[in-house]
Parts: sequence; structure tokens; C-alpha cells
Amino acid sequence: DAGITQSPRHKVTETGTPVTLRCHQTENHRYMYWYRQDPGHGLRLIHYSYGVKDTDKGEVSDGYSVSRSKTEDFLLTLESATSSQTSVYFCAIYRGAGEFSEQFFGPGTRLTVL
Amino acid sequence: KQEVTQIPAALSVPEGENLVLNCSFTDSAIYNLQWFRQDPGKGLTSLLLIQSSQREQTSGRLNASLDKSSGRSTLYIAASQPGDSATYLCAVSDRGSTLGRLYFGRGTQLTVWP
Repeated sequence: DAGITQSPRHKVTETGTPVTLRCHQTENHRYMYWYRQDPGHGLRLIHYSYGVKDTDKGEVSDGYSVSRSKTEDFLLTLESATSSQTSVYFCAIYRGAGEFSEQFFGPGTRLTVL
Repeated sequence: KQEVTQIPAALSVPEGENLVLNCSFTDSAIYNLQWFRQDPGKGLTSLLLIQSSQREQTSGRLNASLDKSSGRSTLYIAASQPGDSATYLCAVSDRGSTLGRLYFGRGTQLTVWP
């Protein structure tokens, strides 16, 4: 357990509304990641952060933005939710270095966009 | 771009059988490889981490091997039990891309019946 929580755990929203998902960690890790998991695709990286106010895009970043104003919180925002963003969203932290690095994941947020 | 493939996609076996799950990856320049377990509707639990300099790693009834040069890893589960039923995910940490990001396979869905 790497002290990662995600909120909300479940959310149903309507197309066109903004949505913000929160990832909170208690161990002061520098690197944090947002992935989405979809049937037939596995987990794919949306955005990541390498420090406060330092973020960058992953492979499926269109329609998403992120912010990190504090080390412990990494927010993922869907500016205008679409049905294609219905998914399970996982936050992760990176612990260690090089070969000895390891990622730990939060419990996930199940998002349904109607 | 790193691609990770897992075979088979699904596996159904009677209790007590020894199993082999396969994972292959296209770029051998990795830091390490992780095997995760995911129960339905749940998050990812790290099972084993194999560093690129290692050949295998063991935890209880689980044994994972790594052949980096051929881009292959196997997860061996001895004396399977119904409680082993879950989806098993393989992921690699790539030396050539974003620090810490993982590339995932689509998983093997395992069912062990009594």
C-alpha cells in the first residue's frame, strides 16, 4: 500500500459537463501518473507529473488536462466529458529508481458519461 | 514504441493445475518488468517485479522469469486455486520513454474452478 487514494470512486455524468478526478498520495512521491483502462486496450497513459506544476502529456491526452499545485495531489480534468471518456481511471506513483523502480496504483475511479 | 502482448487472453483450468502465462515485449531496453493482479472492479496489485539484470523472481506459488534478449516473460502459478481467479497484467518500464511510465499488455483472464 503506497497511501494512494482516488476520489470519487464512481461517477456518472452527462456529455458536455466538466469532471475533475482527484488522486491523493501521502508519501511525498515526485512522480505521479494518470492511466485509463478500457476493454481491448489495457492501461494507457493520459498525463503524468514530475513535480509541483510540472506535467506532461501521455499517449491519450486529448480532452484531458491535469494540475498539480501540491506534491500530494494530482488532478485530472475532463473539460467537456464525452461518451468515449467512459472508462476506469487509475492514478499511480513511482517509487525507487532505474531497475529498482516500481509503480503502485490507486483503487481507480469508474466514470460513466451518458 | 514499446508494445506488450499477453497470451492467452483467457484461461480456464481446474483447481490444482500448474499454469504458465506469457508476456512478450518488442523493445528489450527495459528497466524492469512487473506482473500485476486485478480482481473484477478493483485496482492493480503488484505481484512480482523482475529487474532487467535478473532472470527470475519468486513469491510463494508464483514464479516469474525474464528473458530480456528475446523480449519474453512468463508467470508460472503452481497448484492453482479458485482464489487465483483474476486478470493478470504484465507491464514493462521502458528505458527509452517517460521516466517511470509503464507499458501494459491487455491481460490474461484466469478462471480456476473447483
